[in-house]
Amino acid sequence: QVHLQESGPRLVKPSGTLSLTCAVSGGSITSDNWWSWVRQSPAKGLEWIGEISHGGSTNYNPSLKNRVTISIDKSKNQFSLKLTSMTAADTAVYYCANFSGTFNSWGQGTLVTVSS
Amino acid sequence: DIVMTQSPDSLAVSLGERATISCKSSLSVLSSSNNKNYLAWYQQKPGQPPKLLISWASTREFGVPGRFSGSGSGTDFTLTISSLQAEDVALYYCQQYYTTPWFFGQGTRLEIK
Repeated sequence: QVHLQESGPRLVKPSGTLSLTCAVSGGSITSDNWWSWVRQSPAKGLEWIGEISHGGSTNYNPSLKNRVTISIDKSKNQFSLKLTSMTAADTAVYYCANFSGTFNSWGQGTLVTVSS
Repeated sequence: DIVMTQSPDSLAVSLGERATISCKSSLSVLSSSNNKNYLAWYQQKPGQPPKLLISWASTREFGVPGRFSGSGSGTDFTLTISSLQAEDVALYYCQQYYTTPWFFGQGTRLEIK
């Protein structure tokens, strides 16, 4: 199984933009899978944010679609999440995951807090 | 959207006893083309990400103990732990992968009685 590791700032200001990166090791990001972001909060539980294929196709959760961008960097074997207009409701643990129908491998998650 | 609802929200079971968690989908996740249910179960322990236990409603992942089983079809599914062990204390989630957006159930907290 691949190993995934999230990185990025843990504190974001209200109205700011969250930028997270997921480094993939133990396998190629160009394999025939999708690469996803999922977040978890006490209020909303596990919430799928979106996904990107090795070819760069994306699917987003309609509830977040206007604020989300997921991109892939094959040269670095990593993919990234940008979430704009952050509010307190976006405070959550953010996970990256490998997806092929099911979420097979997950990063350890990173707690992102929205606060001034 | 296919929304998932689990019951109960929490469950306390004695060691060695059976634990049963229910998951209902708002629409069927059974594909008529391959007769497969697009339903997965995950286990999440404190401080850890979810771990895939079962896919296709009833197929255990490699290394998952045989006491875990999944059943059901269409819109009604069940995760059963036949003989609860202390290490099974966790949150359990179902998830549909029939169509996007992928939805998880709200989770069931399993504890020892």
